[in-house]
Amino acid sequence: AQSVTQPDIHITVSEGASLELRCNYSYGATPYLFWYVQSPGQGLQLLLKYFSGDTLVQGIKGFEAEFKRSQSSFNLRKPSVHWSDAAEYFCAVGASTGANNLFFGTGTRLTVIP
Amino acid sequence: DGGITQSPKYLFRKEGQNVTLSCEQNLNHDAMYWYRQDPGQGLRLIYYSQIVNDFQKGDIAEGYSVSREKKESFPLTVTSAQKNPTAFYLCASSRDSWGEQFFGPGTRLTVL
Repeated sequence: AQSVTQPDIHITVSEGASLELRCNYSYGATPYLFWYVQSPGQGLQLLLKYFSGDTLVQGIKGFEAEFKRSQSSFNLRKPSVHWSDAAEYFCAVGASTGANNLFFGTGTRLTVIP
Repeated sequence: DGGITQSPKYLFRKEGQNVTLSCEQNLNHDAMYWYRQDPGQGLRLIYYSQIVNDFQKGDIAEGYSVSREKKESFPLTVTSAQKNPTAFYLCASSRDSWGEQFFGPGTRLTVL
């Protein structure tokens, strides 16, 4: 069965600083990987996804993520954080046999200070 | 303007009452999902449906029921058998079993 670990519950960064959110997954085959962002009281918005091919994936809002099979990781990065990036970020893994059942991590809450 | 709508945004019910949460999509997606979100626990799958008139239990289906009579609609009923129904409920849809999931804005249910 799949599982996802986001080891950082809460991260605080200064505006303009770089950001890396960690995600480790457990899955026996090639996974489908996703990063979603959620503003308070809202639904989830897809930032980026990895299905196959290039292991460095570009997403919306200047985010990128790198799939590292050897480390079972799919960390999210942004070179310069904006105040509007403050939100909760969720990593999710789906089976390559069908993404019907996405397994979500517990989320990382990002606070941006001026 | 395509998307997923959930209504109402806030819902209050007395303990022991059944309540139905609405989810509608006009994306022409085959698959639809219901998740429950609790603080610090991420999202947990309640039910999903790959096609009309078919649905499957997720990880935490006990105390919930669904129907899928139309492609665009996937209502969730929270029954009195659900021990801790107060939560944020998110509906999602995807083009098929392999597509990314698109989420609605959520319904916050509070049982008093």
